[in-house]
Amino acid sequence: EVQLVESGGGLVKPGGSLRLSCAASGFTFSSYSMNWVRQAPGKGLEWVSSMRYSSSYIFYADSVKGRFTISRDNAKNSLYLQMNSLRAEDTAVYYCARDLEVDATTLSTFEHWGQGTLVTVSS
Amino acid sequence: QSALTQPPSASGSPGQSVTISCTGTSSDVGGYHYVSWYQQHPGKAPKLMIYEVSKRPSGVPDRFSGSKSGNTASLTVSGLQAEDEADYYCSSYAGSNKGVFGGGTKLTVL
Repeated sequence: EVQLVESGGGLVKPGGSLRLSCAASGFTFSSYSMNWVRQAPGKGLEWVSSMRYSSSYIFYADSVKGRFTISRDNAKNSLYLQMNSLRAEDTAVYYCARDLEVDATTLSTFEHWGQGTLVTVSS
Repeated sequence: QSALTQPPSASGSPGQSVTISCTGTSSDVGGYHYVSWYQQHPGKAPKLMIYEVSKRPSGVPDRFSGSKSGNTASLTVSGLQAEDEADYYCSSYAGSNKGVFGGGTKLTVL
């Protein structure tokens, strides 16, 4: 069974940093592109970042480019999101999501999702 | 990348069909075959319902179908059931190595 478990969320002041983690199990992690998607309270989904299975390609939404860094450790079956210079508008539930197919990077086809971790940016 | 445009709400009675639209541009929905639809119940993670415009993942009922015409994609739910009441989001590859979601549609089963 595919499982994605996010952690690392919490309350942080504007300008602060936070590192999210996503522990994956139940599939060959190194064969799939992985993604972060967020959802502000009461709002819609927003694609944040994607990383190709081979780590060769990394993509960011304009809203986080230069502030957030996605990374993965295939040996630990883990995905990360380092978030710096956080703003109030970054407040959201952050989901880790796996692409549907092996060796694909669609930036839009997310078959498996974690339960999400809440990040609150407030003074 | 601007969000794709969805109607805020849609509704139908049990057994009826309802269609939700998702309008983008030739740079996203109209330009690529990577259009997906997600169902999200309150407090839950999204669930993939349709991918590549019209394909259904394993386990998704065939009551759910997708299509695309020009810059507008559509999700049709046939034979509405109470458990179909949820928020629905479309997504698309948006070119230039970006992804984009729609604003979401709240489906109410009357």
